[in-house]
Amino acid sequence: KAGVTQTPRYLIKTRGQQVTLSCSPISGHRSVSWYQQTPGQGLQFLFEYFSETQRNKGNFPGRFSGRQFSNSRSEMNVSTLELGDSALYLCASRTANYGYTFGSGTRLTVV
Amino acid sequence: SQQGEEDPQALSIQEGENATMNCSYKTSINNLQWYRQNSGRGLVHLILIRSNEREKHSGRLRVTLDTSKKSSSLLITASRAADTASYFCATDAAAGNKLTFGGGTRVLVKP
Repeated sequence: KAGVTQTPRYLIKTRGQQVTLSCSPISGHRSVSWYQQTPGQGLQFLFEYFSETQRNKGNFPGRFSGRQFSNSRSEMNVSTLELGDSALYLCASRTANYGYTFGSGTRLTVV
Repeated sequence: SQQGEEDPQALSIQEGENATMNCSYKTSINNLQWYRQNSGRGLVHLILIRSNEREKHSGRLRVTLDTSKKSSSLLITASRAADTASYFCATDAAAGNKLTFGGGTRVLVKP
């Protein structure tokens, strides 16, 4: 099976812009989670989707949103970008044994 | 916020030596997982130990879990230069469909 695919790999945006990141989970997996990784805060949970429904959300402002499509692909959107949003954004697909398979991430730089 | 702490934050060893890192957490868990990350790329799932298990092995990896002390350890035996990476523990709580990560241990294996 193909792994978790995240696009794009790298992104540079300007403060105030918005950005959309994409994640395709492992075929057949319906759970998709998003995490943000920064040097200061480490790895933090953003949200989790299952069958197009958001089941859990982390402690992030409303500028961070996501959605999942019927084919399980997921997108996350960050509006009104701030410098502090610069991070590695990781998407994960949950396996049957409850482990997670992560994508390679999207590195977002806000300038 | 992060679930717990990892100790040490950094570890430098010679090839062939063993590497041990510890993880503490705060709340009840379903399982605890260990991940490896190379140079800011995606996380690779190493091993999962359930709350009713005390020890688990996978190749050169040995994980222990002490739920009474809310702690876990990861032992990498006969380390190789390719084991150089950051290692993260992550807890999967009873409810929430999310992972809560520790701060990570940076391991350097010198040839």
